[in-house]
Amino acid sequence: AQSVTQLGSHVSVSEGALVLLRCNYSSSVPPYLFWYVQYPNQGLQLLLKYTSAATLVKGINGFEAEFKKSETSFHLTKPSAHMSDAAEYFCAVTKSGGTSYGKLTFGQGTILTVHP
Amino acid sequence: GAGVSQSPSNKVTEKGKDVELRCDPISGHTALYWYRQSLGQGLEFLIYFQGNSAPDKSGLPSDRFSAERTGGSVSTLTIQRTQQEDSAVYLCASSLDRRLGYEQYFGPGTRLTVT
Repeated sequence: AQSVTQLGSHVSVSEGALVLLRCNYSSSVPPYLFWYVQYPNQGLQLLLKYTSAATLVKGINGFEAEFKKSETSFHLTKPSAHMSDAAEYFCAVTKSGGTSYGKLTFGQGTILTVHP
Repeated sequence: GAGVSQSPSNKVTEKGKDVELRCDPISGHTALYWYRQSLGQGLEFLIYFQGNSAPDKSGLPSDRFSAERTGGSVSTLTIQRTQQEDSAVYLCASSLDRRLGYEQYFGPGTRLTVT
């Protein structure tokens, strides 16, 4: 079974500072990994995805993530935070094969606060 | 084009009543998923449909929950004899194909409150 752990339920940064949101996964098979963002009272929006191609994945809004198999990690970063980045971020994993792939298992989420 | 839509956006119901939640996926998307988002449990998979295949119901929490997808498009999630622990946001997502290269597009959700 797959699982995801997001370290830190709340992260606070200053505008212009580096954003680092941590995600570690556990999977018995090669995983596919995703980061989603959720703004208040809205659905989830895909930021980026890793599907076994390049290990450094670039997404929307200046975010990127690096898949590190040796560390079982898929941390999300952005060089310079903007006020509009304040939201909740979810890391998710799914199997890369089998009958249940496509079904996402989510982490508990990290609320990002950006201070002026 | 239009995204995934869900209705109602909010639903307040009394304990013991039945509720129906609707999802309209993006046109042409063959895969449809239901998830539940609650304070205690986070985001949980409930059920998914792929074309004419039998749905994967492995995430449904009890037999009070059921879902159907008519004509390969609209889906309805039904909760019978609602309980307070059913209070959550129910999210629907669709994708062009269940293969993992096709990301899931989420609707805005239905917030269900059971009083």
